Amino acid sequence: GEDVEQSLFLSVREGDSSVINCTYTDSSSTYLYWYKQEPGAGLQLLTYIFSNMDMKQDQRLTVLLNKKDKHLSLRIADTQTGDSAIYFCAESPTSGTYKYIFGTGTRLKVLA
Amino acid sequence: NAGVTQTPKFQVLKTGQSMTLQCAQDMNHNSMYWYRQDPGMGLRLIYYSASEGTTDKGEVPNGYNVSRLNKREFSLRLESAAPSQTSVYFCASNRANQPQHFGDGTRLSIL
Repeated sequence: GEDVEQSLFLSVREGDSSVINCTYTDSSSTYLYWYKQEPGAGLQLLTYIFSNMDMKQDQRLTVLLNKKDKHLSLRIADTQTGDSAIYFCAESPTSGTYKYIFGTGTRLKVLA
Repeated sequence: NAGVTQTPKFQVLKTGQSMTLQCAQDMNHNSMYWYRQDPGMGLRLIYYSASEGTTDKGEVPNGYNVSRLNKREFSLRLESAAPSQTSVYFCASNRANQPQHFGDGTRLSIL
């Protein structure tokens, strides 16, 4: 079945790079997403990538996709305390449904 | 634009009570969704509506009903609330093959 896995916690120092990893199982996925959730708030779309792409960069964010290993990563350069949040990876299968499959989320803590 | 608006933001219920969570979007999206978020479990889909006039069960539909009132509004109803339904509920919407946009959530506690 479809599944998305993420590590639960990541701690980095302010100014360092953060790398949040995600693995997925659906080989037919067309879209892969990264969302950010701050305390008490909803999910905010950060970026997304088509499955025919290997990389996407948007300011401090870099998404890398390894289709062979079904591995997705989000790199945040120059991590700031405001980046502390939960980050969700999600895949959108191309089976004709509209359903997303979300990972359990990675809680990023940035230490000053 | 307001995006996706959920009401109420917080609610406390007693076991057995009923209530309806409201969601409205002003982005002219065809599809709308209800999720619940529980610690360590990510988001789980309760029901979704691919287009106006249709609704389908998601991963965890038991104990819930939905109504797609019109293109803008998609409500979630708990007929007889149970403590296991204590959670944060999120509504989302999108166009096909476009990212989902989320509301700020409804925090529901059932005593």
